[in-house]
Amino acid sequence: DAKTTQPPSMDCAEGRAANLPCNHSTISGNEYVYWYRQIHSQGPQYIIHGLKNNETNEMASLIITEDRKSSTLILPHATLRDTAVYYCIVRVTGGYQKVTFGIGTKLQVIP
Amino acid sequence: GAVVSQHPSWVICKSGTSVKIECRSLDFQATTMFWYRQFPKQSLMLMATSNEGSKATYEQGVEKDKFLINHASLTLSTLTVTSAHPEDSSFYICSASPVTGKGPGELFFGEGSRLTVL
Repeated sequence: DAKTTQPPSMDCAEGRAANLPCNHSTISGNEYVYWYRQIHSQGPQYIIHGLKNNETNEMASLIITEDRKSSTLILPHATLRDTAVYYCIVRVTGGYQKVTFGIGTKLQVIP
Repeated sequence: GAVVSQHPSWVICKSGTSVKIECRSLDFQATTMFWYRQFPKQSLMLMATSNEGSKATYEQGVEKDKFLINHASLTLSTLTVTSAHPEDSSFYICSASPVTGKGPGELFFGEGSRLTVL
């Protein structure tokens, strides 16, 4: 079973920030939070990951609460191309650990 | 980022035939690859873990004799759907993590392969 819970859907106006929440209350100390997104009929695309500090890259920012039980992915200026299903997963950074996906959040960016 | 390639990207076959899908890590080596299946409007469902040089580990409910997995090298894993039936029609996705070098520990996904069984 997935170790994370996310709202099934969200809407965001184009140009505004999209804030996607994720709960991972059973996260272990050595597990990272990863975010991926899947545009229709494509494989998941890596967005960002972090352990406990907030992270930022060219695509998004990741805010992890101090107790690490939840996180928020922030797309600072959403565009129509950001419409996708966003998955939050937790895993250790070892190539061998299998990953299970929850339902994700379907983000609809509205013009 | 690292690249994982799948081939074919889509395939149509007749019921009862077998179909092979390849998953290659193009610029890194991976001792472990994963195979997922995704039905319309559903999430990715893990089918099996493919281990280089050894037998794959299948998730509960996945028939190992129907979904044959071979991980022949550090850059190639194949999934063969044997005696395919219409209910096997789905989107099959593989993923892999670099062992060392390029983004160690990150998990990269292929583009997916859409199988339609007539």
